[in-house]
Amino acid sequence: DAKTTQPPSMDCAEGRAANLPCNHSTISGNEYVYWYRQIHSQGPQYIIHGLKNNETNEMASLIITEDRKSSTLILPHATLRDTAVYYCIDLTNFGNEKLTFGTGTRLTIIP
Amino acid sequence: EPEVTQTPSHQVTQMGQEVILRCVPISNHLYFYWYRQILGQKVEFLVSFYNNEISEKSEIFDDQFSVERPDGSNFTLKIRSTKLEDSAMYFCASRLDSPSSTDTQYFGPGTRLTVL
Repeated sequence: DAKTTQPPSMDCAEGRAANLPCNHSTISGNEYVYWYRQIHSQGPQYIIHGLKNNETNEMASLIITEDRKSSTLILPHATLRDTAVYYCIDLTNFGNEKLTFGTGTRLTIIP
Repeated sequence: EPEVTQTPSHQVTQMGQEVILRCVPISNHLYFYWYRQILGQKVEFLVSFYNNEISEKSEIFDDQFSVERPDGSNFTLKIRSTKLEDSAMYFCASRLDSPSSTDTQYFGPGTRLTVL
């Protein structure tokens, strides 16, 4: 079972920042926080990951609390194409470690 | 940008028939995976493959399932005798395995399997 918890759904107005929370209450010291998304039954798409520092790439920003028990994925200017299910996953990413998906957060961008 | 490809995009088969789902991972990747997603449910891990052998498999991956890397580019999932409950999207993924912090699993677009 997934070790993270996320709200089942969220709405965000187009052009606004979408902030998606995740709780990682059992994250261990060598596990990264990974975020993926799945747009309408397409293959899951990697977004971003981090260990303990905040991270930013061309898709999103990731804020990880100091105790690493929670994180927030930020899509700074949401577009309609960002409507998807977003998953946060704790992962060491050593060797062949599999991804364990939960139910994620269904983000709907509203025009 | 390199990507994982899967064929066919949609496969319809009769119960009891054998199906082979094909994947071409990203060329220099070393770890390969199959996941599936039954309609409306979570993405579930099936099997991982490294160095020409299965590394890990889930309870779903029973004797009806097998994987193979027949050549340097393809990675296949075979279901010997399909059941109605095998109807799902099947996703292939691959990973490079490098110390780079950007190393992650990349997924293909999926094959929708419909068992009638």
